[in-house]
Amino acid sequence: DQQVKQNSPSLSVQEGRISILNCDYTNSMFDYFLWYKKYPAEGPTFLISISSIKDKNEDGRFTVFLNKSAKHLSLHIVPSQPGDSAVYFCAAFTGNQFYFGTGTSLTVIP
Amino acid sequence: SAVISQKPSRDICQRGTSLTIQCQVDSQVTMMFWYRQQPGQSLTLIATANQGSEATYESGFVIDKFPISRPNLTFSTLTVSNMSPEDSSIYLCSVEDGQGFYGYTFGSGTRLTVV
Repeated sequence: DQQVKQNSPSLSVQEGRISILNCDYTNSMFDYFLWYKKYPAEGPTFLISISSIKDKNEDGRFTVFLNKSAKHLSLHIVPSQPGDSAVYFCAAFTGNQFYFGTGTSLTVIP
Repeated sequence: SAVISQKPSRDICQRGTSLTIQCQVDSQVTMMFWYRQQPGQSLTLIATANQGSEATYESGFVIDKFPISRPNLTFSTLTVSNMSPEDSSIYLCSVEDGQGFYGYTFGSGTRLTVV
């Protein structure tokens, strides 16, 4: 059973605009939520996280929003840059285990 | 954070054969993890490998199919045995370097195609 879902396999955005990547989850017991970024032929790298007790975390151009009542989180990238083109994985973490979404491939068009 | 060297980066294998994937870490780590990503699916944990003990497998994964070795604190291998086309996936190793979830590092992955 997929506990973390990313329903959009791909997204295209113009450079300078906002990219919004979405993620839904089913387990209300998750402690942390994370976003990983993956370039081709490289492993996923940690991007940003949010604790389950918060509703927003910001790091430069990246902001993650958590809506616990809707079991939904989103990653906002503003402004989007061509170097942001990658696959973004949403993940939930509890105990010592990650639960990953299927990823969203973001293309930022110059 | 730890740096992982994962080999091979890709391979095409005949069904019925086995492939061993290696992960070398540049520092000593207690916990190493092996993941699989089937086409269109999420990263799924196969097993957790701690040095000096048997690997712990997740539901749906068995040692006969995915034997794991962890001979020391910097190295681990995953073997995909008696392969079938359904084993075509990306396999990744990951380590936790003691910083909680911030400290998880992933290898670059092995893209396996079984024909």
